[in-house]
Amino acid sequence: GQQVMQIPQYQHVQEGEDFTTYCNSSTTLSNIQWYKQRPGGHPVFLIQLVKSGEVKKQKRLTFQFGEAKKNSSLHITATQTTDVGTYFCAGPGYLDTGRRALTFGSGTRLQVQP
Amino acid sequence: GAVVSQHPSWVICKSGTSVKIECRSLDFQATTMFWYRQFPKQSLMLMATSNEGSKATYEQGVEKDKFLINHASLTLSTLTVTSAHPEDSSFYICSAPFQGGGSDTQYFGPGTRLTVL
Repeated sequence: GQQVMQIPQYQHVQEGEDFTTYCNSSTTLSNIQWYKQRPGGHPVFLIQLVKSGEVKKQKRLTFQFGEAKKNSSLHITATQTTDVGTYFCAGPGYLDTGRRALTFGSGTRLQVQP
Repeated sequence: GAVVSQHPSWVICKSGTSVKIECRSLDFQATTMFWYRQFPKQSLMLMATSNEGSKATYEQGVEKDKFLINHASLTLSTLTVTSAHPEDSSFYICSAPFQGGGSDTQYFGPGTRLTVL
Protein backbone atom coordinates (compact mmCIF):
# COMPACT_ATOMS: atom_id res chain seq x y z
CA GLY A 1 0.00 0.00 0.00
CA GLN A 2 0.90 3.64 -0.18
CA GLN A 3 3.53 4.78 2.29
CA VAL A 4 4.52 8.31 3.14
CA MET A 5 7.72 8.88 5.08
CA GLN A 6 9.08 12.03 6.64
CA ILE A 7 12.48 13.01 7.88
CA PRO A 8 13.66 13.98 10.36
CA GLN A 9 11.41 12.54 13.04
CA TYR A 10 12.39 15.27 15.44
CA GLN A 11 14.31 18.53 15.30
CA HIS A 12 15.29 20.92 18.03
CA VAL A 13 16.39 24.39 16.87
CA GLN A 14 17.25 27.70 18.44
CA GLU A 15 14.75 30.45 17.80
CA GLY A 16 15.75 32.25 14.62
CA GLU A 17 17.27 29.20 12.96
CA ASP A 18 15.77 27.67 9.85
CA PHE A 19 13.99 24.32 9.72
CA THR A 20 13.20 21.89 6.93
CA THR A 21 11.19 18.68 6.85
CA TYR A 22 11.14 16.31 3.90
CA CYS A 23 8.35 14.04 2.75
CA ASN A 24 8.62 11.07 0.41
CA SER A 25 5.83 8.94 -1.01
CA SER A 26 6.16 5.43 -2.36
CA THR A 27 3.68 6.34 -5.11
CA THR A 28 3.04 9.36 -7.31
CA LEU A 29 0.59 11.74 -5.69
CA SER A 30 -2.12 13.78 -7.35
CA ASN A 31 -1.54 16.37 -4.66
CA ILE A 32 0.15 16.72 -1.33
CA GLN A 33 -1.06 18.51 1.75
CA TRP A 34 0.65 19.79 4.83
CA TYR A 35 -0.86 19.91 8.30
CA LYS A 36 0.39 21.27 11.61
CA GLN A 37 -0.53 19.72 14.91
CA ARG A 38 0.25 21.64 18.07
CA PRO A 39 0.94 19.61 21.23
CA GLY A 40 -2.37 18.30 22.52
CA GLY A 41 -4.21 19.62 19.48
CA HIS A 42 -5.57 18.35 16.22
CA PRO A 43 -4.16 18.65 12.70
CA VAL A 44 -4.78 21.97 11.04
CA PHE A 45 -4.62 22.29 7.27
CA LEU A 46 -1.76 24.49 6.05
CA ILE A 47 -1.60 24.14 2.30
CA GLN A 48 -2.13 21.91 -0.70
CA LEU A 49 0.26 21.53 -3.64
CA VAL A 50 -1.01 20.12 -6.90
CA LYS A 51 1.37 20.88 -9.74
CA SER A 52 4.69 19.23 -10.44
CA GLY A 53 7.51 21.48 -9.18
CA GLU A 54 5.07 23.82 -7.46
CA VAL A 55 6.37 26.21 -4.82
CA LYS A 56 4.10 28.10 -2.46
CA LYS A 57 4.89 30.50 0.33
CA GLN A 58 3.02 31.46 3.46
CA LYS A 59 4.98 34.18 5.24
CA ARG A 60 8.03 32.35 6.64
CA LEU A 61 6.89 28.94 5.34
CA THR A 62 7.91 27.67 1.90
CA PHE A 63 6.39 24.51 0.48
CA GLN A 64 7.69 22.59 -2.52
CA PHE A 65 6.29 19.71 -4.54
CA GLY A 66 8.81 17.61 -6.42
CA GLU A 67 8.93 17.31 -10.17
CA ALA A 68 8.00 13.64 -10.00
CA LYS A 69 5.18 14.42 -7.53
CA LYS A 70 6.54 11.88 -5.07
CA ASN A 71 8.27 14.18 -2.64
CA SER A 72 7.75 17.48 -0.94
CA SER A 73 9.38 19.76 1.57
CA LEU A 74 8.43 22.40 4.08
CA HIS A 75 10.98 25.05 5.00
CA ILE A 76 10.52 27.52 7.83
CA THR A 77 12.76 30.57 7.84
CA ALA A 78 13.77 32.11 11.15
CA THR A 79 11.74 29.87 13.41
CA GLN A 80 9.68 31.27 16.26
CA THR A 81 8.36 29.57 19.39
CA THR A 82 4.91 29.65 17.82
CA ASP A 83 6.18 27.20 15.18
CA VAL A 84 6.43 24.43 17.76
CA GLY A 85 4.40 21.36 16.82
CA THR A 86 4.39 18.35 14.57
CA TYR A 87 4.25 18.87 10.84
CA PHE A 88 2.63 16.18 8.75
CA CYS A 89 2.52 15.78 5.02
CA ALA A 90 -0.40 13.80 3.66
CA GLY A 91 -1.36 12.38 0.33
CA PRO A 92 -4.74 11.25 -0.88
CA GLY A 93 -5.27 7.57 -1.30
CA TYR A 94 -8.11 5.95 -3.13
CA LEU A 95 -10.00 3.47 -1.04
CA ASP A 96 -11.87 0.55 -2.52
CA THR A 97 -15.06 2.52 -2.27
CA GLY A 98 -13.59 5.28 -4.39
CA ARG A 99 -13.70 7.66 -1.47
CA ARG A 100 -10.49 9.47 -0.72
CA ALA A 101 -8.94 9.54 2.70
CA LEU A 102 -5.49 10.79 3.59
CA THR A 103 -2.34 8.82 4.17
CA PHE A 104 -0.31 10.77 6.66
CA GLY A 105 3.43 10.90 6.78
CA SER A 106 5.19 9.92 9.95
CA GLY A 107 5.49 13.55 10.99
CA THR A 108 8.35 15.79 12.08
CA ARG A 109 8.20 17.17 15.58
CA LEU A 110 9.72 20.63 15.86
CA GLN A 111 10.92 22.07 19.13
CA VAL A 112 12.10 25.68 19.22
CA GLN A 113 14.36 26.88 22.00
CA PRO A 114 13.74 30.56 22.90
CA GLY B 1 -14.41 28.51 7.77
CA ALA B 2 -16.13 25.17 8.14
CA VAL B 3 -15.89 23.52 11.51
CA VAL B 4 -15.99 19.96 12.69
CA SER B 5 -16.78 19.32 16.33
CA GLN B 6 -16.24 16.25 18.46
CA HIS B 7 -17.75 15.23 21.74
CA PRO B 8 -16.53 14.44 24.28
CA SER B 9 -13.07 15.99 24.13
CA TRP B 10 -11.80 13.48 26.65
CA VAL B 11 -13.17 10.46 28.43
CA ILE B 12 -11.93 8.05 31.06
CA CYS B 13 -13.69 4.74 31.38
CA LYS B 14 -13.31 1.36 32.99
CA SER B 15 -12.21 -1.66 31.05
CA GLY B 16 -15.16 -3.48 29.50
CA THR B 17 -17.40 -0.47 29.08
CA SER B 18 -18.45 1.14 25.81
CA VAL B 19 -17.74 4.70 24.80
CA LYS B 20 -19.50 6.73 22.12
CA ILE B 21 -17.76 9.59 20.33
CA GLU B 22 -19.69 12.05 18.20
CA CYS B 23 -18.39 13.93 15.19
CA ARG B 24 -20.43 16.76 13.73
CA SER B 25 -19.94 19.02 10.75
CA LEU B 26 -21.30 22.32 11.98
CA ASP B 27 -22.02 24.36 8.88
CA PHE B 28 -21.67 21.98 5.99
CA GLN B 29 -22.93 18.57 5.01
CA ALA B 30 -20.64 15.60 4.90
CA THR B 31 -21.72 12.41 3.19
CA THR B 32 -18.33 11.00 4.12
CA MET B 33 -16.38 11.34 7.32
CA PHE B 34 -13.16 9.66 8.31
CA TRP B 35 -12.08 8.31 11.67
CA TYR B 36 -8.41 8.30 12.58
CA ARG B 37 -6.55 7.07 15.60
CA GLN B 38 -3.31 8.54 16.89
CA PHE B 39 -1.12 6.94 19.55
CA PRO B 40 1.33 9.17 21.47
CA LYS B 41 4.09 10.60 19.29
CA GLN B 42 2.84 8.70 16.27
CA SER B 43 1.10 9.67 13.08
CA LEU B 44 -2.59 9.51 12.32
CA MET B 45 -3.82 6.15 11.09
CA LEU B 46 -7.07 5.84 9.21
CA MET B 47 -9.46 3.47 10.94
CA ALA B 48 -12.58 3.68 8.83
CA THR B 49 -14.65 5.69 6.43
CA SER B 50 -18.10 6.64 7.61
CA ASN B 51 -20.66 6.77 4.81
CA GLU B 52 -24.02 8.43 5.19
CA GLY B 53 -26.75 5.99 4.22
CA SER B 54 -24.53 2.95 3.98
CA LYS B 55 -22.16 0.81 6.00
CA ALA B 56 -18.81 2.08 7.12
CA THR B 57 -15.68 0.88 5.38
CA TYR B 58 -12.98 -0.36 7.72
CA GLU B 59 -9.25 -0.42 7.15
CA GLN B 60 -7.36 -3.67 7.37
CA GLY B 61 -6.79 -4.73 10.95
CA VAL B 62 -9.60 -2.63 12.41
CA GLU B 63 -12.32 -4.73 14.01
CA LYS B 64 -15.70 -3.56 12.79
CA ASP B 65 -17.50 -5.26 15.67
CA LYS B 66 -15.39 -3.41 18.17
CA PHE B 67 -15.45 0.01 16.56
CA LEU B 68 -19.05 0.61 15.58
CA ILE B 69 -19.64 3.49 13.21
CA ASN B 70 -22.99 5.05 12.44
CA HIS B 71 -23.44 7.94 10.03
CA ALA B 72 -26.84 9.00 11.26
CA SER B 73 -27.25 12.13 9.16
CA LEU B 74 -25.37 14.40 6.78
CA THR B 75 -23.84 16.19 9.74
CA LEU B 76 -23.27 13.46 12.31
CA SER B 77 -21.12 10.37 12.55
CA THR B 78 -20.57 8.38 15.73
CA LEU B 79 -17.84 5.97 16.71
CA THR B 80 -18.58 3.56 19.55
CA VAL B 81 -15.69 1.71 21.11
CA THR B 82 -17.28 -1.42 22.52
CA SER B 83 -15.86 -3.34 25.45
CA ALA B 84 -12.96 -0.96 25.68
CA HIS B 85 -9.60 -2.18 26.96
CA PRO B 86 -6.47 -0.27 27.99
CA GLU B 87 -4.89 -0.86 24.59
CA ASP B 88 -7.74 1.14 23.04
CA SER B 89 -6.54 4.22 24.89
CA SER B 90 -5.69 6.70 22.17
CA PHE B 91 -6.55 10.01 20.53
CA TYR B 92 -9.48 9.56 18.15
CA ILE B 93 -9.95 12.22 15.48
CA CYS B 94 -12.62 12.54 12.86
CA SER B 95 -12.44 14.56 9.68
CA ALA B 96 -14.68 15.58 6.83
CA PRO B 97 -13.75 16.62 3.32
CA PHE B 98 -14.57 20.15 2.33
CA GLN B 99 -15.08 21.83 -0.98
CA GLY B 100 -13.34 25.00 -1.99
CA GLY B 101 -10.11 24.17 -0.25
CA GLY B 102 -8.82 22.00 -3.04
CA SER B 103 -9.53 18.37 -3.67
CA ASP B 104 -9.15 15.91 -0.83
CA THR B 105 -8.44 18.47 1.85
CA GLN B 106 -10.18 17.88 5.12
CA TYR B 107 -11.35 19.63 8.23
CA PHE B 108 -10.41 17.81 11.40
CA GLY B 109 -12.34 17.69 14.62
CA PRO B 110 -10.55 18.63 17.84
CA GLY B 111 -10.17 14.96 18.78
CA THR B 112 -11.26 12.81 21.69
CA ARG B 113 -8.71 11.51 24.12
CA LEU B 114 -9.80 8.12 25.44
CA THR B 115 -8.22 6.58 28.50
CA VAL B 116 -9.31 3.10 29.49
CA LEU B 117 -8.39 2.06 33.00
